[in-house]
Amino acid sequence: KAGVTQTPRYLIKTRGQQVTLSCSPISGHRSVSWYQQTPGQGLQFLFEYFSETQRNKGNFPGRFSGRQFSNSRSEMNVSTLELGDSALYLCASSLSTDSLTYEQYFGPGTRLTVT
Amino acid sequence: AQTVTQSQPEMSVQEAETVTLSCTYDTSESDYYLFWYKQPPSRQMILVIRQEAYKQQNATENRFSVNFQKAAKSFSLKISDSQLGDAAMYFCAYRSWAGNQFYFGTGTSLTVIP
Repeated sequence: KAGVTQTPRYLIKTRGQQVTLSCSPISGHRSVSWYQQTPGQGLQFLFEYFSETQRNKGNFPGRFSGRQFSNSRSEMNVSTLELGDSALYLCASSLSTDSLTYEQYFGPGTRLTVT
Repeated sequence: AQTVTQSQPEMSVQEAETVTLSCTYDTSESDYYLFWYKQPPSRQMILVIRQEAYKQQNATENRFSVNFQKAAKSFSLKISDSQLGDAAMYFCAYRSWAGNQFYFGTGTSLTVIP
């Protein structure tokens, strides 16, 4: 079974631009979560989607948004990029949110550099 | 909100020796999950071990084991017989019993010395 895939793997943008990152979860997984990883900050939760609905949202400005499609693929969008948005963006999928053995499987991440 | 603290930004261990990574968390919940994830350099994050808070027995996965102290809100990871492939960033994470949000610590970078 294929793992979580993220595209693109690397991205360079300039301040003020917008960017869209894509995540394809493991087949059958319905929950997709997004994280921002920066040195010293660890992983910070952005949002989580389940069956096309945003169920949880972290403490990020409205410039960060996301969506999930009927096939569970998810995209996140960052508008009006700032230098501080440079980070590794990780996507994680899980089978469901009701499982007692809930576990997240991570993708390789998208490395975003804002110049 | 729950917080997870990893007070050791960097650790090192000699190959074949044992190392313990620390993690503490803050929560008012009684039921939750705790996890240790490993992120090798330029590679995907993978789950190392998980612990359900209602279980008193500490989880073990081969050379990896945890010391879960619920009252102290402590969740340390012990790696026995360390191998070069254990070199990675290790993240401690917390998830509520009913919620879907994970809270991660800032990570501990483990170096294994040959």
